Amino acid sequence: EVQLLESGGGLVQPGGGSLRLSCAASGFTFSSYAMSWVRQAPGKGLEWVSTISDSGGSTYDADSVKGRFIISRDNSKDTLYLQIKSLRAEDTAVYYCAKMGQYSSGWEFDNWGQGTLVTVSS
Amino acid sequence: QSALTQPASVSGSPGQSITISCTGTSSDVGGYNLVSWYQQHPGKAPKFMIYEVNKRPSGVSNRFSGSKSGDTASLTISGLQAEDEADYYCCSYAGSSSLVFGGGTKLTVL
Repeated sequence: EVQLLESGGGLVQPGGGSLRLSCAASGFTFSSYAMSWVRQAPGKGLEWVSTISDSGGSTYDADSVKGRFIISRDNSKDTLYLQIKSLRAEDTAVYYCAKMGQYSSGWEFDNWGQGTLVTVSS
Repeated sequence: QSALTQPASVSGSPGQSITISCTGTSSDVGGYNLVSWYQQHPGKAPKFMIYEVNKRPSGVSNRFSGSKSGDTASLTISGLQAEDEADYYCCSYAGSSSLVFGGGTKLTVL
């Protein structure tokens, strides 16, 4: 059974340094799949944030987060990361870790974690 | 990347069928057969329901089906059940290794 467990969320002040989210994966061969982060602001819809290839050699980001968010992975630890810099109030959201699909295109999210809440507020 | 357009809400009675639309452009929905759909119950993580426009992953009820015409994709749920009441999101590949979601649709089972 695929399991994705996010951690690292919490209350952060605007502009205050950076935050690193983690996602521990189990139940599948982590190094064989691309992985993504998707966020959801309170009461709002889903927003794709970033995707990283299976090897970690390629990363892709939404325009809204380019330059501030860095997605990375450690295949030796079966763990996905998201570093968020220069936090803004609009970054307040539940951040979900998602496994990309095993199907022909791979551009779908076939398993999701339970999410970790990031709150940016003074 | 502008969000795909979905109706804010739809409703139906048990046993009926409903359809949720998802409208994009030729740069996303219309340009690729890479539309997926997700179901989200309140306070829960999204669940994967449909991929590549009309394919169902194993374990998803065949009451759920997808289609596409031009720049608009659709999710149809037949034989509505109370447990289908949830938010539904479409998502499309948008080129240049990017993805875009719809704004979400709240389904109410009357």
